[in-house]
Amino acid sequence: EPEVTQTPSHQVTQMGQEVILRCVPISNHLYFYWYRQILGQKVEFLVSFYNNEISEKSEIFDDQFSVERPDGSNFTLKIRSTKLEDSAMYFCASVAGTGKGDTQYFGPGTRLTVL
Amino acid sequence: AQSVTQLGSHVSVSEGALVLLRCNYSSSVPPYLFWYVQYPNQGLQLLLKYTSAATLVKGINGFEAEFKKSETSFHLTKPSAHMSDAAEYFCAVTPSGSARQLTFGSGTQLTVLP
Repeated sequence: EPEVTQTPSHQVTQMGQEVILRCVPISNHLYFYWYRQILGQKVEFLVSFYNNEISEKSEIFDDQFSVERPDGSNFTLKIRSTKLEDSAMYFCASVAGTGKGDTQYFGPGTRLTVL
Repeated sequence: AQSVTQLGSHVSVSEGALVLLRCNYSSSVPPYLFWYVQYPNQGLQLLLKYTSAATLVKGINGFEAEFKKSETSFHLTKPSAHMSDAAEYFCAVTPSGSARQLTFGSGTQLTVLP
C-alpha cells in the first residue's frame, strides 16, 4: 500500500541553523500539508500546498518557514533560522482529491530537536 | 473557528471491556469529523470519518463513531478492547468555508489492562 515517507526521522540542530525536512507524498496526490506536534501538545496545522502554491497557512507559519515541491516528488519544509521553540515532531500529509472530506494520509514524522 | 474537545487525556480499560473515547465539536454548520490513531513512534492513521452521510460510521479495527448533532458529539467506541488498541487517539475537524486543514483535539491516551 502506498504511504507517505519522511526523512530524516530525527534531526538535531543548533539554534539559528537552517533545516530542511523532506517528505515524499503518495504518488498522484494533489494536496500536501505540514503539521507539527510539540511534545505534550496538540497536533497543529502549519501549511497546505496545492497546484504548486500555498493554499492555507496558520499563524505559526511565519517568514522563517517555507515550503517547496522542487521536483514533483519531494515536498519540503524549510526553517531558515531555528529557534528552541521549533523543537517538535513535524508531520507531512497528502490527499488524493480536493474534497474537504478526503482522507489525509500522514507520514511517520520527523522529530526536530533544536539545541 | 471550528474546534474539538476530547474529554479525558488518559483512559484505561480492561481487555475485553467497552472502549469509549469522547469528542465534542463546536460548529455552526455540519462539519467533517475524523478519528485518527497514533501508535508509538508512528504517524497518524485514519480510523474513520464522518462526511455528512450515515451518522453511524464504522472504521477499521472494529471501531465506530456516531455523529450526534443535538449533542455536538462524535464519540469513538469499540465493544471489546484488545491489547493492540493501546495508542493515542485524536479527534479532528475541518474548518468551515473552503479550507481543508484538520484541527485536532488534544488527544486521549488509551491504556488496555490485561
